[in-house]
Amino acid sequence: NAGVTQTPKFQVLKTGQSMTLQCAQDMNHNSMYWYRQDPGMGLRLIYYSASEGTTDKGEVPNGYNVSRLNKREFSLRLESAAPSQTSVYFCASSEARNRGRVNQPQHFGDGTRLSIL
Amino acid sequence: AQSVAQPEDQVNVAEGNPLTVKCTYSVSGNPYLFWYVQYPNRGLQFLLKYITGDNLVKGSYGFEAEFNKSQTSFHLKKPSALVSDSALYFCAVRDIRGRDDYKLSFGAGTTVTVRA
Repeated sequence: NAGVTQTPKFQVLKTGQSMTLQCAQDMNHNSMYWYRQDPGMGLRLIYYSASEGTTDKGEVPNGYNVSRLNKREFSLRLESAAPSQTSVYFCASSEARNRGRVNQPQHFGDGTRLSIL
Repeated sequence: AQSVAQPEDQVNVAEGNPLTVKCTYSVSGNPYLFWYVQYPNRGLQFLLKYITGDNLVKGSYGFEAEFNKSQTSFHLKKPSALVSDSALYFCAVRDIRGRDDYKLSFGAGTTVTVRA
């Protein structure tokens, strides 16, 4: 019963390098999300995918791209990493709105700790 | 617009004493409210939610929260804290009449330390 799995757990990059963060869920959820967590700021939504085949921008999308590869997988890409993107990144999933379950909680992975030098 | 405020960065209590973590929210419609807990180097874990109905909501690990519409608050409570309750707690809100039902707004978090 893995839930939401994120890889890698840790990564150090140099400014300008690119990287893809992977996320997979085994709960058959339609909706998936990417957040970043910074001290004193809570979680901020980067991108989300309401269902397979759709993606939308969140609060802080600049510098990121996403791909909803299939129902299980939702990846986050940094094309040209910047020091301001040093953060802990969390992937989450939840039941979809079109099933009348908009009030269902999100389930989170354990995060990817990313440092950009 | 929707937002959440957690006015205390840190809460310190002795084991066995009551624990309260404060949360106030702002939405244009009616809220869905959630509490999550985060242990070191882990993701957020769902504790409880308020959707509708009784203002007192019971959740995991003996936690409960009281919804107060007039004060726009949703404080998390535990009658007798344990050392193992030491963690980072997040309140989150979603406006049920918002244009985007998928977006949760999180507070900045409150670090709870329970001393033995």
